[in-house]
Amino acid sequence: GQQLNQSPQSMFIQEGEDVSMNCTSSSIFNTWLWYKQDPGEGPVLLIALYKAGELTSNGRLTAQFGITRKDSFLNISASIPSDVGIYFCAGSLISGGADGLTFGKGTHLIIQP
Amino acid sequence: GAVVSQHPSWVICKSGTSVKIECRSLDFQATTMFWYRQFPKQSLMLMATSNEGSKATYEQGVEKDKFLINHASLTLSTLTVTSAHPEDSSFYICSARDVGRTYNEQFFGPGTRLTVL
Repeated sequence: GQQLNQSPQSMFIQEGEDVSMNCTSSSIFNTWLWYKQDPGEGPVLLIALYKAGELTSNGRLTAQFGITRKDSFLNISASIPSDVGIYFCAGSLISGGADGLTFGKGTHLIIQP
Repeated sequence: GAVVSQHPSWVICKSGTSVKIECRSLDFQATTMFWYRQFPKQSLMLMATSNEGSKATYEQGVEKDKFLINHASLTLSTLTVTSAHPEDSSFYICSARDVGRTYNEQFFGPGTRLTVL
């Protein structure tokens, strides 16, 4: 099946720093999604990307859907303590993310005050 | 809008018993729901796709007779773990697809922590 390679696995940063993480795949996805999961909770959608090349922002978050449809990145600017958590990328073969999603292994973000 | 709930939020059961987990879309109708499983410090893995009024579709390696899925209404899907064993202990998360939205986005429930003793 499809696999998503997400990196880095974990990040230790200072408050106020920018964060960048990415996902790559050996196969094409038609929708890329980025989620944040806090301990013991379900993932919450941060940004959804529906078109190759699309660059989308949500507050301090910016994500892009790679032109090849095989990669995506998420940037967080000026990190704050509440950004701590695990970030997952997810891909969908069906445009819009209407099928079961394939998830990356997650990036654990830790912020040092 | 687009709220998905799960019940219970956590459950502890003895080995060999069955456990039912409910997934509800509270403010939208969901013809399709998905069930995922997440082991500690790992990613979410799709188990099955639940379609209202029809049989669920299971991912490769997921035993359909062990993980019974019923999607009897447009707002409720249930996952029953039959004859649970300690290796079934995991975090079970459902999602529901909102066909009323432009891109049919799916929204996740808060998860159910299952511990089998």
